[in-house]
Amino acid sequence: GAVVSQHPSRVICKSGTSVKIECRSLDFQATTMFWYRQFPKQSLMLMATSNEGSKATYEQGVEKDKFLINHASLTLSTLTVTSAHPEDSSFYICSASGPVGNTIYFGEGSWLTVV
Amino acid sequence: QKEVEQDPGPLSVPEGAIVSLNCTYSNSAFQYFMWYRQYSRKGPELLMYTYSSGNKEDGRFTAQVDKSSKYISLFIRDSQPSDSATYLCAMKAETSGSRLTFGEGTQLTVNP
Repeated sequence: GAVVSQHPSRVICKSGTSVKIECRSLDFQATTMFWYRQFPKQSLMLMATSNEGSKATYEQGVEKDKFLINHASLTLSTLTVTSAHPEDSSFYICSASGPVGNTIYFGEGSWLTVV
Repeated sequence: QKEVEQDPGPLSVPEGAIVSLNCTYSNSAFQYFMWYRQYSRKGPELLMYTYSSGNKEDGRFTAQVDKSSKYISLFIRDSQPSDSATYLCAMKAETSGSRLTFGEGTQLTVNP
């Protein structure tokens, strides 16, 4: 089936630094990708919609200057957490609409720990 | 009130049991219904995808959609310890593009 890959799967960074997470659709083109955040034992919280070639659309309460999203090609979207703080530590997941019908596939997720 | 309601559990069953997972929703525009399985510390994996009402079967899994009652179900037959995970229902309308609305997820444990 369609595969969405995220990298890195786990990252630790120092407070105040920036970290970039990549989301790739491996065998299909995705004009739209989504970025989610998930806290332990909770469902996915949509952060933003990433559109190829245009600005991302952010959900209410999500700081666009802190969570920079770039969707430069039909197979790659990136999420950059800028000036990271410990409260940004979380599980970040991307998704993309698959090549068949309205199926939506998720990446493996990226664990971010800010120390 | 949430658009999609799902009992978070936890649900614990013995191996071999039939598991029934359910979600209710309030938005009558929802047309596409999905079930995802999420293992601990992993991304969600698409299990079942159904359009509109009806049943769909795939191996030990059966998905049912009753649009008149705004109720969807996922049945797991002959449950295995490897089925232990969190199950998320998700749905979307024709006009919402690829944007999904999720249930809270039900945590399932199948005991050997």
